[in-house]
Amino acid sequence: DAGVTQSPTHLIKTRGQQVTLRCSPKSGHDTVSWYQQALGQGPQFIFQYYEEEERQRGNFPDRFSGHQFPNYSSELNVNALLLGDSALYLCASSPPPGTLDSHNEQFFGPGTRLTVL
Amino acid sequence: AQSVTQLGSHVSVSEGALVLLRCNYSSSVPPYLFWYVQYPNQGLQLLLKYTTGATLVKGINGFEAEFKKSETSFHLTKPSAHMSDAAEYFCAVSKGGEYGNKLVFGAGTILRVKS
Repeated sequence: DAGVTQSPTHLIKTRGQQVTLRCSPKSGHDTVSWYQQALGQGPQFIFQYYEEEERQRGNFPDRFSGHQFPNYSSELNVNALLLGDSALYLCASSPPPGTLDSHNEQFFGPGTRLTVL
Repeated sequence: AQSVTQLGSHVSVSEGALVLLRCNYSSSVPPYLFWYVQYPNQGLQLLLKYTTGATLVKGINGFEAEFKKSETSFHLTKPSAHMSDAAEYFCAVSKGGEYGNKLVFGAGTILRVKS
């Protein structure tokens, strides 16, 4: 059973460009969350998608947007890249709400390392 | 708002010694608490979690943590450190249930194990 997968593993962009990161959740999971982990810091919640809609959002500007597809996979888009967007972007998936206790646990992918020059 | 404080950004122990990583949280509702481990250039792996029930929870690789509501703490321990335990550890809190499962993380503690 494949876990959470993310692509690409590494990405280099220049300031002002746009980037799309992709995530496939663990089998049986329908909720996808995205986190940004800057160097030396803990992950910060960006947003969460469930039933193809943004369910929760952290304190990130509108330059950060997302999408969830009918197969539960998800994309994170960042427009007008800034140097400060350089980070490890982590995707996490979780089971459907109502699954006893397990909805509160998130399973993380290996991340996409984004470098903005 | 929820928050997590991890005391000590770096902890160094000798192989075979006790590991103690400290985590304090604040939450307006009964929290769900987690410890994750991150090895270099990898994602996060769940070590253990507290949701309800027994306040002493056991996780993988011999780690355990105790939820102490009165102290708003969830410290991570392991009786005997192994070289393979060297990694970065993150404590996280969520409201869970109807509030959703968004995680709020601490800044992390890097554990070094000396031979």
